Amino acid sequence: QQPVQSPQAVILREGEDAVINCSSSKALYSVHWYRQKHGEAPVFLMILLKGGEQKGHEKISASFNEKKQQSSLYLTASQLSYSGTYFCGTPVTFIQGAQKLVFGQGTRLTINP
Amino acid sequence: ETGVTQTPRHLVMGMTNKKSLKCEQHLGHNAMYWYKQSAKKPLELMFVYSLEERVENNSVPSRFSPECPNSSHLFLHLHTLQPEDSALYLCASSQGKGYMNTEAFFGQGTRLTVV
Repeated sequence: QQPVQSPQAVILREGEDAVINCSSSKALYSVHWYRQKHGEAPVFLMILLKGGEQKGHEKISASFNEKKQQSSLYLTASQLSYSGTYFCGTPVTFIQGAQKLVFGQGTRLTINP
Repeated sequence: ETGVTQTPRHLVMGMTNKKSLKCEQHLGHNAMYWYKQSAKKPLELMFVYSLEERVENNSVPSRFSPECPNSSHLFLHLHTLQPEDSALYLCASSQGKGYMNTEAFFGQGTRLTVV
């Protein structure tokens, strides 16, 4: 059930681009993306619900493939403020009709000047 | 500031101690969650409260005991913990019972060290 993220870590220079992938062996209902800076709370970035969907947030965008088994997060012209650990999560129904967000293991992104 | 506040931010406790973690949200959300974040491991859901009703997560040891007195407050009572319970404990809230199309708001967490 846990989505798999790749790569585990990325080191970039400011201005470079990065792609973070999140994949599953089964179709996902939706994909959530969060960023967590060291010592801070994870912060919501975006949700993708539909196969083939693409969504943007300033220079951070994401896609969800048609089969809904893979999502990619794109960071273009990276800024120092983009550093942190990025998590993808997917809702899973477990008991009593409630859902939980199951997260990938995270991708640590380091942006150097 | 996400609207979810956790206290304390740091806690060191012995294995025989009893302590409590507190979470508070004034976002009007009706679901609250406890997550555990260990080094090099993904975020793990511990408990869910929806409309103040607890949804059990049977894999969590009984030394962790949640309490939700109202929709704005959530506690995690700790007793006779083990060193491997040392982790960052995150509280989150959301609107609705599920995550299908709503985001979760996380607190900054309590860094717990068990000695």
